[in-house]
Formats: sequence, structure tokens, C-alpha cells
Amino acid sequence: DVQMTQSPSSLSASVGDRVIITCRASQRISNSLNWYQQKPGKAPQVLVYGASNLQGGVPPRFSGSGSGTDFTLTITSLQPEDFATYYCQQSHYTPQTFGQGTKVEI
Amino acid sequence: QLQLQESGPGLVKPSETLSLNCSVSGASLGSTTYYWGWIRQTPGKGLEWIGTIYYRVATFYNPSLRSRVTISVDTSKNQFSLKLTSVTAADTAVYYCARQVPGFANSWHDWGQGALVSVSS
Repeated sequence: DVQMTQSPSSLSASVGDRVIITCRASQRISNSLNWYQQKPGKAPQVLVYGASNLQGGVPPRFSGSGSGTDFTLTITSLQPEDFATYYCQQSHYTPQTFGQGTKVEI
Repeated sequence: QLQLQESGPGLVKPSETLSLNCSVSGASLGSTTYYWGWIRQTPGKGLEWIGTIYYRVATFYNPSLRSRVTISVDTSKNQFSLKLTSVTAADTAVYYCARQVPGFANSWHDWGQGALVSVSS
């Protein structure tokens, strides 16, 4: 299976901060990388698909980049509603696999 | 607007079969446009893809669960289902049904609210 490793596992930040979350795949996955946001008690929601494409309705302060094995999710100016857990997911190989999550806390 | 809703028992005994249904409104499971599947989440293992079904007949399962999993579609009810046999405590999780969009890097675009299933005697 392709292992997806996110870092950091958690971070503390303030409103207005720039936040960068990284995701590394154990094999090259082209740009088959998606990012999700999950809030407590809710299902994950897709933010970015195909490494860098913003899902409709997602604020432009979110952006994704990367290809191959190394990917990043950037939040340029953290807002109160962005405090959540973020997951990456590779869809290049079966089984598709998720990272362990990055919790963004105040 | 697409909605997915999981339903099924919240408690299953060890060695028995976990069965969940996902009712879909706002899209037809008979369509060839999308994939439909199940993902589960535990505090220990995080998010784990269980399997996907395409157009009623093509199924793809996580190899780690393949021997115990069946996903099927009932187009007359517009719902799809998950069966997981011989469950143990390790199968205790929140189970999500979801829609996967092939043209969007196979991302999971729409999710149900999740169903907590506990395995315990």
C-alpha cells in the first residue's frame, strides 16, 4: 500500500496566520492527491483535488501544490472556521489511502 | 442537491455480519458517471477506504478487507449497501458512504453523515 505521511500531526496557529501542511507519499502518485477538511462530528469535505484544483465553493485562501511524492496544502490567512483536521488522500493506486491527519488548533 | 444517508444497526456482535445501507437522493445509482463507496474512520487507524462500486457491477475492495466485504447496489431503491462478515472489535468505526468523482482525481465529493457501528457482545 502507498503510505501517506502528513506533517505536522498537529499545529497551533492564530487567526491570520499562514499555515502549511505537507503530505508525502511512499511512491510516486503523479498528481492524484486530494485534500479534505474535517470538523468534529462531521464527514470530511474535499478542499483540493488533483493536487492543485480548488473544489467549487472553497475559499481561495486554500491552495494545493506538488506532484510525484511531495505535496502541500497552504492556508494563506487562517480564519476561525478553518480550525479543523486536514487529511490528504492518494487515488493513484489501489487501495487508495489517507494520511493520518493534521489537526489545526487555536 | 445530492444527499447520502447511512442506515443500519449501531451494535453488532463479534463474528456476526455488519450490514449498512446508503440511501441516495439527487442522483441515480444507475448512472455511469460516478463511483459509490464506503470509507470508515477509527481513532486508531484514521480514514480507511473499504471499497467502491461502479455501475452496479464493477467492485473494487481494499485487499485488507476483500475476503469479508461485499458492496452491492439496488437501483430500484436507489441505495447501495455494505456487508462486512466475521466482525471483531477492530471493525468498530464510523462508517461513511460517499460518492467518488472520476473526473476530479477520484476524490470523494459527497459524504453521508456517518454511522457509528460498535462491535461488542
